[in-house]
Amino acid sequence: NAGVTQTPKFRILKIGQSMTLQCAQDMNHNYMYWYRQDPGMGLKLIYYSVGAGITDKGEVPNGYNVSRSTTEDFPLRLELAAPSQTSVYFCASSSGFRGRNTEAFFGQGTRLTVV
Amino acid sequence: EDQVTQSPEALRLQEGESSSLNCSYTVSGLRGLFWYRQDPGKGPEFLFTLYSAGEEKEKERLKATLTKKESFLHITAPKPEDSATYLCAVQAGSGNTPLVFGKGTRLSVIA
Repeated sequence: NAGVTQTPKFRILKIGQSMTLQCAQDMNHNYMYWYRQDPGMGLKLIYYSVGAGITDKGEVPNGYNVSRSTTEDFPLRLELAAPSQTSVYFCASSSGFRGRNTEAFFGQGTRLTVV
Repeated sequence: EDQVTQSPEALRLQEGESSSLNCSYTVSGLRGLFWYRQDPGKGPEFLFTLYSAGEEKEKERLKATLTKKESFLHITAPKPEDSATYLCAVQAGSGNTPLVFGKGTRLSVIA
């Protein structure tokens, strides 16, 4: 059982370039999330999705876009990369029960550096 | 605005020296409080979920407790392998709201 798979693990981008961070889960979870983690700052929510075709902004959505065409996949798009987007990005998924979040399962992260 | 504050930021313990980590929260309508462990270079790993005040959960040397304002993660007789960053997160409000995380406590256990 693979759980949550993120690709790539590492990436270096030049300012102004674009890229897509891939995330796939095989647990049939409805909810999926993208977080970024900066040193000493905890996890900040970028975007999330409660099901295929439904996405919503989190705390720090500027400079990012997402789509959710299938239950399994939740790619994160960076347009016009900036140094402020240097961070570690985590994708996560969870199921829900009676409106409550169950535990979220996290991928191993993508370490992105923008130079 | 929902807030989660963890203390201390960092904690250094000798092997066998028990202690507690704190997670205080200010939310409207707590639906669940989650504890995660994160090792360097890895994603957070789920430990516990607590749903109501007075609830307690245990796993090996870890015990999590919940009151109406805060949660504690008690670590009994820690070992060096318990060294990690411990993250607290809350779900609050109505509907399918995502988790809000604290900044974490970085725990080092010295042999």
